[in-house]
Amino acid sequence: GQQVQQSPSSLVLQEGENAELQCNFSSTATQLQWFYQSPGGSLVSLLSNPSGTKHTGRLTSTTVTKERRSSLHISSSQTTDSGTYLCAIDHNSGGSNAKLTFGKGTKLSVKS
Amino acid sequence: DPKIIQKPKYLVAVTGSEKILICEQYLGHNAMYWYRQSAKKPLEFMFSYSYQKLMDNQTASSRFQPQSSKKNHLDLQITALKPDDSATYFCAKGGDTQYFGPGTRLLVL
Repeated sequence: GQQVQQSPSSLVLQEGENAELQCNFSSTATQLQWFYQSPGGSLVSLLSNPSGTKHTGRLTSTTVTKERRSSLHISSSQTTDSGTYLCAIDHNSGGSNAKLTFGKGTKLSVKS
Repeated sequence: DPKIIQKPKYLVAVTGSEKILICEQYLGHNAMYWYRQSAKKPLEFMFSYSYQKLMDNQTASSRFQPQSSKKNHLDLQITALKPDDSATYFCAKGGDTQYFGPGTRLLVL
């Protein structure tokens, strides 16, 4: 079945440093989403980026569809960025037939 | 103002019992989903519904039954609960971009 590999599995930064998170997937994705999961467990959608580069705030995602990889860049990290970052892909036709497959995540810890 | 409501937030059940997890969404999309996250596995897809009809089912056990009484509701009935069912169950809405509810954390003793 579809596989999603994320690296690194964990990352520790000093506040202000940048982070680069990687996501590799085993087959073509019609959709790719990055999520943030708080230490309390809630899930927040950060970016949908099936191809190309997208920015929102301090986040930049670059997806190279042909190479089946995506990255999430977090600039000027803050302690509040601590949590787990999840990459999820859908290889179906999307819409109501979407079915996300998740990676195991990158656990980010930002220290002050 | 929460757009996806899940109830209850926490649930403790005994082995063999039956529980219903509630999900309501007010984001206007007709596609709804259930996902599950346990300590042993990453988030995994369970069901997808569109216009109150089952689109996809990746759950092997018939003990898990989604129920859609209204178009913005998708509850999850779990029967004959087992300790391995302990997990956080997330309801989600949307198609290409999915948004997740806060989850129901289920503990089966």
